[in-house]
Amino acid sequence: QSALTQPASVSGSPGQSITISCTGTSSDVGNYNLVSWYQQHPGKAPKLMIYEVNKRPSGVSNRFSGSKSGNTASLTISGLQAEDEADYYCCSFAGITTFEVFGGGTKLTVL
Amino acid sequence: QVQLQESGPGLVKPSQTLSLTCTVSGGSISSGGYHWSWIRQHPGKGLEWIGYIHYSGSTYYNPSLKGRLTISVDTSKNQISLNLPSVTAADTAVYYCASTKRMGALFDYWGQGAQVTVS
Repeated sequence: QSALTQPASVSGSPGQSITISCTGTSSDVGNYNLVSWYQQHPGKAPKLMIYEVNKRPSGVSNRFSGSKSGNTASLTISGLQAEDEADYYCCSFAGITTFEVFGGGTKLTVL
Repeated sequence: QVQLQESGPGLVKPSQTLSLTCTVSGGSISSGGYHWSWIRQHPGKGLEWIGYIHYSGSTYYNPSLKGRLTISVDTSKNQISLNLPSVTAADTAVYYCASTKRMGALFDYWGQGAQVTVS
């Protein structure tokens, strides 16, 4: 059982927007603006897409955005494209005892 | 750009020690505040943070695994290592090394991963 809760799957049609939620607790997501999101295609290593809740690394499309409210962080992908079909994982810092926790992952299907 | 490459046995017998090495290229393992992480992914499952190490040798481990593993650094070889003794089938996973600019959910560069099967 993962520390952070994500929906198992989401889907959307090309051009649409989707949002993936990541629910934690007041000890992790709710207590730190240190949430990141990773995209993983089958057989590949994860790729950093969002960090510090809403910052994008250089080279990541601005179709990807992040936000947080209370104990829940969210990843929004706008203008869905076929290449966005992948697994997405959230991660949060959880303090100096637990350090880093991941969500269970969400499979995005582009219809 | 920093590149990471994991290496080690793909098959380990139960009760033996899993040993993996991550070689860093394109940058010094001693750079700034970087920490170097191990993360694993069980078959068909999500990601699990194992621990990280600073080039100074300071280590930080997942509490659920603490006491079982050792992460070490060799700055002369630009490598970090993972040792996990007394493995069981539950340790079968893809093991990734990743760079971490600082503590706080920021794994910016990843290796391609090393499949380790305990059988």
